Amino acid sequence: NAGVTQTPKFRVLKTGQSMTLLCAQDMNHEYMYWYRQDPGMGLRLIHYSVGEGTTAKGEVPDGYNVSRLKKQNFLLGLESAAPSQTSVYFCASRSGTRSTDAQYFGPGTRLTVL
Amino acid sequence: AQKVTQAQTEISVVEKEDVTLDCVYETRDTTYYLFWYKQPPSGELVFLIRRNSFDEQNEISGRYSWNFQKSTSSFNFTITASQVVDSAVYFCALKHTGNQFYFGTGTSLTVIP
Repeated sequence: NAGVTQTPKFRVLKTGQSMTLLCAQDMNHEYMYWYRQDPGMGLRLIHYSVGEGTTAKGEVPDGYNVSRLKKQNFLLGLESAAPSQTSVYFCASRSGTRSTDAQYFGPGTRLTVL
Repeated sequence: AQKVTQAQTEISVVEKEDVTLDCVYETRDTTYYLFWYKQPPSGELVFLIRRNSFDEQNEISGRYSWNFQKSTSSFNFTITASQVVDSAVYFCALKHTGNQFYFGTGTSLTVIP
């Protein structure tokens, strides 16, 4: 099993450009999450999904959109990138069968917006 | 409000020393769950342990041990006889019965050979 994978690993954008980050999991997990990690701020939740076709806002959703058309994939979109969105983005998934289920993370995507 | 505080931003220890990473949480819920994750230099977060609010037993796994104290709202992590491979950023996280996890800002541990 590959677990949680993220595409791409690195990306450089110019201000105003758009892009989509792809997260895929092969563990048949119901729940998926997108976080951003910035120095000194830990992980902050952007959006999450509790199942195929559902999405919900997290702590810092502005400037991002998400879609969960298939259970195994969770896409994070930036419609008009800004320098403030320079960050490392992590995707995570969890089973959701029990409240105690832990999250399992992908390797991260390092995004730089110039 | 849910909140996790990891007051130690950076810690350096010499190899074979013991080190404790502090985690203090804040929640109004009586049912909640606590987690520790490790982020080595490679960048990927690795799940280490979970605890629920009804289980205050301490846990030991090899050189790792966790001390959960509801009276002080703390869930501290101790590494005994530290090794260079323990160098990483460690995150504590809190979850109640909803779907969101609340992460602390992390403690960067450097083990000096």
